[in-house]
Amino acid sequence: GNSVTQMEGPVTLSEEAFLTINCTYTATGYPSLFWYVQYPGEGLQLLLKATKADDKGSNKGFEATYRKETTSFHLEKGSVQVSDSAVYFCAMIKAAGNKLTFGGGTRVLVKP
Amino acid sequence: EAGVTQSPTHLIKTRGQQATLRCSPISGHTSVYWYQQALGLGLQFLLWYDEGEERNRGNFPPRFSGRQFPNYSSELNVNALELEDSALYLCATTSRSSGNTGELFFGEGSRLTVL
Repeated sequence: GNSVTQMEGPVTLSEEAFLTINCTYTATGYPSLFWYVQYPGEGLQLLLKATKADDKGSNKGFEATYRKETTSFHLEKGSVQVSDSAVYFCAMIKAAGNKLTFGGGTRVLVKP
Repeated sequence: EAGVTQSPTHLIKTRGQQATLRCSPISGHTSVYWYQQALGLGLQFLLWYDEGEERNRGNFPPRFSGRQFPNYSSELNVNALELEDSALYLCATTSRSSGNTGELFFGEGSRLTVL
């Protein structure tokens, strides 16, 4: 079946460090891929997305590239800030109008 | 423009009782999704409503049910509550034009505690 696997947290970093959160998916065909972020006490919000192979999504300094050959969509940020502390969810949607399948979430804590 | 609103914010029930959670979508959104986020982060898909019809259902027992009203708001009902139903219940909505892109707009959730 369709599934999304992401690295378990928590990930603890110092400010200005480089962040990578790994995400891989299992699906037939070509799903669309997403990263959602959940800041403390808030609901999830879309961070970035990519809808086809080799697409790069970017937002707020975060980037992720849709790699069909490795079925991956790793999230990266070159220099994190304390305000980036949140839970990050990788997700995919397999077909039009279908449900979004989420990974287990990765908690990131950035210390000053 | 108002975002997705959920009520109540917090709800405390005892085992065996029933809980009703509500969700109001963003104006113009016709699809409503319900997710359960238990302790440990993971989001589990519960239900998807579109245009008043249940379109898809996750792997949850029948005591989890819901409906969507003509104004596209939605209710999630959980009967015969069990301790493991304690979780944050998230509602997400989308419009017909953005639904196919997978972009969902989430509410802040209703935290259900079962004692």
